Amino acid sequence: NAGVTQTPKFRILKIGQSMTLQCAQDMNHNYMYWYRQDPGMGLKLIYYSVGAGITDKGEVPNGYNVSRSTTEDFPLRLELAAPSQTSVYFCASSPEGWNTIYFGEGSWLTVV
Amino acid sequence: AQSVAQPEDQVNVAEGNPLTVKCTYSVSGNPYLFWYVQYPNRGLQFLLKYITGDNLVKGSYGFEAEFNKSQTSFHLKKPSALVSDSALYFCAVRDEGAGSYQLTFGKGTKLSVIP
Repeated sequence: NAGVTQTPKFRILKIGQSMTLQCAQDMNHNYMYWYRQDPGMGLKLIYYSVGAGITDKGEVPNGYNVSRSTTEDFPLRLELAAPSQTSVYFCASSPEGWNTIYFGEGSWLTVV
Repeated sequence: AQSVAQPEDQVNVAEGNPLTVKCTYSVSGNPYLFWYVQYPNRGLQFLLKYITGDNLVKGSYGFEAEFNKSQTSFHLKKPSALVSDSALYFCAVRDEGAGSYQLTFGKGTKLSVIP
């Protein structure tokens, strides 16, 4: 019962570096999401996808990019990392846009 | 625009006592409402949801929530708290009529159950 799998779990980046957070789901869900969680701020949507080849911006997309070449995978790309991107990142998926969202275990990112 | 508020940053309750975690929402259409729980250093786990139907929704681990349209509330409840219920709880809402796939989360309420 893998569900939503994220890698890496922890990462430290230097300012200006780039990296990709990987996300894969094995539930055949059409909808996938990337959220970031900052202390006391709840979760903010970065990007989402309604199916392979289709992505759209969420509430806080600046500094990030995504792609969705397959139903299973939804990687998040951080270009030119900044300290403001220090956060916990959660990938999630849902069978339909209105239905329950299922989360991965999170990726802790620190930019120094 | 859709929004959700969790008015309490922290709730403390004695083990065995009933617990309530409050949530109010604002939408222009009909709400889809969700509760999630997060344990330290873990992802969010789904507890329960209200889409339509009965106002009292039962979920995982003995939790339930009551949808109150007139008060625009969706409070999470449990009759008898366990120490293992200590965690961070998030309420979330989506506006059925907004045409958006975005789920808006509250800022979370930390529940501490005292032995």
